Amino acid sequence: GENVEQHPSTLSVQEGDSAVIKCTYSDSASNYFPWYKQELGKRPQLIIDIRSNVGEKKDQRIAVTLNKTAKHFSLHITETQPEDSAVYFCAASMSGNQFYFGTGTSLTVIP
Amino acid sequence: GAVVSQHPSRVICKSGTSVKIECRSLDFQATTMFWYRQFPKQSLMLMATSNEGSKATYEQGVEKDKFLINHASLTLSTLTVTSAHPEDSSFYICSAAGGGNTDTQYFGPGTRLTVL
Repeated sequence: GENVEQHPSTLSVQEGDSAVIKCTYSDSASNYFPWYKQELGKRPQLIIDIRSNVGEKKDQRIAVTLNKTAKHFSLHITETQPEDSAVYFCAASMSGNQFYFGTGTSLTVIP
Repeated sequence: GAVVSQHPSRVICKSGTSVKIECRSLDFQATTMFWYRQFPKQSLMLMATSNEGSKATYEQGVEKDKFLINHASLTLSTLTVTSAHPEDSSFYICSAAGGGNTDTQYFGPGTRLTVL
């Protein structure tokens, strides 16, 4: 089955700096890679996703890159703000099937 | 769009009782619903995949007789924790796939179960 690894587990950045979270996956058949943000006690919220036919996708301060050959994908948050503080999860799946989640990254943005 | 509700948000019960949690997709038809369990500061652990009108598919190590899943319609799935014990205390989250983007999952707000 699919195995998703996520690093780092915790990340602290100064407000305004960039944050990068990396994930690797094992199953080359996976073709959909979403990223979720979860605040304490709340539901995971989809923040960006990418499909395997695309190498990069950007939405304002958030971007995701995918390297299919190396089987890794990364989340980039620029100009971080305190409200970006949360736990971020990556996931990998084959379209329409179950997600395999990474272990999560706790991001703290220091004002 | 793509709103998923979950009820109740919080439940406290005595050991040995059963608890039912409902997951509803409010503005789209969910072809598939998923049930997760999340321990504090940990990732989401998939328990089972639920398709409307068919039996749920359980992940390895999840007792299907203890965690009963019923997907009665394209907008409703229920998880019943039978004969709950303190070790079943956890945050249970459902998600639904469907609507305009069949690839992604939209999560409910979760149910905090505490078994005394």
